[in-house]
Amino acid sequence: ETGVTQTPRHLVMGMTNKKSLKCEQHLGHNAMYWYKQSAKKPLELMFVYSLEERVENNSVPSRFSPECPNSSHLFLHLHTLQPEDSALYLCASSQDPGLDSPLHFGNGTRLTVT
Amino acid sequence: KNQVEQSPQSLIILEGKNCTLQCNYTVSPFSNLRWYKQDTGRGPVSLTIMTFSENTKSNGRYTATLDADTKQSSLHITASQLSDSASYICVVSASTGGFKTIFGAGTRLFVKA
Repeated sequence: ETGVTQTPRHLVMGMTNKKSLKCEQHLGHNAMYWYKQSAKKPLELMFVYSLEERVENNSVPSRFSPECPNSSHLFLHLHTLQPEDSALYLCASSQDPGLDSPLHFGNGTRLTVT
Repeated sequence: KNQVEQSPQSLIILEGKNCTLQCNYTVSPFSNLRWYKQDTGRGPVSLTIMTFSENTKSNGRYTATLDADTKQSSLHITASQLSDSASYICVVSASTGGFKTIFGAGTRLFVKA
């Protein structure tokens, strides 16, 4: 069982829908991340939380709204998405937000916006 | 501009053969370089981490090299197995404030029987 669990694994939504992605880490880590992975493109960092505080927001459109209620859980709330937002959304955690800690990824949510 | 470029984009090899994947970076100031393996339908998993002073590091059949002068790294896979079929992602971190971790686009490796 992976230390980082993401649900759902697959999601299809219309442009007017509102949905949420969930991530839970069982590793006791202090930092959590959302990444977007599009085909043949590098992973794009979206948000970083350290001890439940958002410490990075990489110019992500407001139709993506993160929430970190505690150090083990991370959500990504989605509303009025565009077809180009279709991608694999990966959650990750690390011991701390420093550069020496490896990222532990979940298996992602495959999002399709119709 | 901080960039990580990987080559080739994709590679097909026969089971049992060796292969080498390349990573060139322009990230500065350099902190560390990691190679991740991403199986289809799964998240990336860290294989190795290399710092400025390290030239080579092995993890089983995987051997990573780093030339900090030329800003190049390679991942060598020995005696490939079908389970090595995956994407291999090079990730370079800069030692500046904030979260300057730059991902390459990955090399897609197919190992055929």
